[in-house]
Amino acid sequence: AQSVTQLGSHVSVSEGALVLLRCNYSSSVPPYLFWYVQYPNQGLQLLLKYTSAATLVKGINGFEAEFKKSETSFHLTKPSAHMSDAAEYFCAVKNTGNQFYFGTGTSLTVIP
Amino acid sequence: GAVVSQHPSWVICKSGTSVKIECRSLDFQATTMFWYRQFPKQSLMLMATSNEGSKATYEQGVEKDKFLINHASLTLSTLTVTSAHPEDSSFYICSAVRTTEAFFGQGTRLTVV
Repeated sequence: AQSVTQLGSHVSVSEGALVLLRCNYSSSVPPYLFWYVQYPNQGLQLLLKYTSAATLVKGINGFEAEFKKSETSFHLTKPSAHMSDAAEYFCAVKNTGNQFYFGTGTSLTVIP
Repeated sequence: GAVVSQHPSWVICKSGTSVKIECRSLDFQATTMFWYRQFPKQSLMLMATSNEGSKATYEQGVEKDKFLINHASLTLSTLTVTSAHPEDSSFYICSAVRTTEAFFGQGTRLTVV
């Protein structure tokens, strides 16, 4: 079975500070990993995905994530937080049947 | 890019009535679509896999008679919440996969009063 765990349900950072959202995965096969962002009462927007190509994945809005097999991690980072980054972030793993299994989410607050 | 559209975006219904939510893939065909449910402040949980032309596959604990799924064409899947009750109030999101990328609908906020 595949699953992801997001550590920290709430993260607060100052505007301009580093954003680090943690995600660890569990998978017996090479995983397809994703980060999505969700704004209130909206659907999911794909930030980036890992599909076994480059381990450092660059996404939209300045986000990136690094796949570390040794740590079974896929943490999301952004060098400098912007107010518009405040949202809910979900890490997810996709199985071969294209079903997604999401982490519990991390709510990011950006303090001006 | 590919777009998945859900309708309605929000709906309020009386307890005991049924509500239908549509999920359309607008510029690609999707033989498989997925339905997720999200409770407030919680993550998305896979409810069922909708297969065009065949019965849906439900996740454990999801009542198939409660949540009726119809995938009658390659671009449309519908989720009907039958005899809705307040505990069915939730945010429902569908997705469709094209090659390796999933596209999600904007979600439907269901409130049962």
